[in-house]
Amino acid sequence: DTAVSQTPKYLVTQMGNDKSIKCEQNLGHDTMYWYKQDSKKFLKIMFSYNNKELIINETVPNRFSPKSPDKAHLNLHINSLELGDSAVYFCASMVTGVGEQYFGPGTRLTVT
Amino acid sequence: QKEVEQNSGPLSVPEGAIASLNCTYSDRVSQSFFWYRQYSGKSPELIMSIYSNGDKEDGRFTAQLNKASQYVSLLIRDSQPSDSATYLCAVNTLGGTSYGKLTFGQGTILTVHP
Repeated sequence: DTAVSQTPKYLVTQMGNDKSIKCEQNLGHDTMYWYKQDSKKFLKIMFSYNNKELIINETVPNRFSPKSPDKAHLNLHINSLELGDSAVYFCASMVTGVGEQYFGPGTRLTVT
Repeated sequence: QKEVEQNSGPLSVPEGAIASLNCTYSDRVSQSFFWYRQYSGKSPELIMSIYSNGDKEDGRFTAQLNKASQYVSLLIRDSQPSDSATYLCAVNTLGGTSYGKLTFGQGTILTVHP
């Protein structure tokens, strides 16, 4: 199926640990995003990559490091996890210039 | 002022009625506007996009845009219980650039009761 996929779907970990979330899209899009949705359901952009190049970097702690090995993949590595990092992280992709973004299923991160 | 603001919910309508969802935005140079539907525990799903002033219809959904008033709305005709979800207004706040930086509103929870 053509889609935006993320792994893992759920991630439960302790404070101070390091974890990664992976995203892949087979829609042929060239721009990918990471969003964070907090407990109040507010959805906020974190990063954007276009053809492996970082385009948008919002005010995100540098414990968060995105990496895009190619235009179909975007990963998010988080160091020294904190309680406040608990949220749902969504990956999205878009064809540059079109504007319509398509979201992956999300990764629910719980930091205890 | 919030960059993108939606009418506070929750909104409850009877089945078969018209549901009206509203959104205002602060960045005058925004060019593209989107409505997403998000069911509980699921990801946002794009249901409408609108780029020019006026109405755009797709099935039971109509998006309306008024750039002079910085206002975008979504009408859902013949509302069904399956329309019950959170509706997110999103605005491309990078103006006319090619890279979509979507800024989302806080969402409006819609409940359609039989």
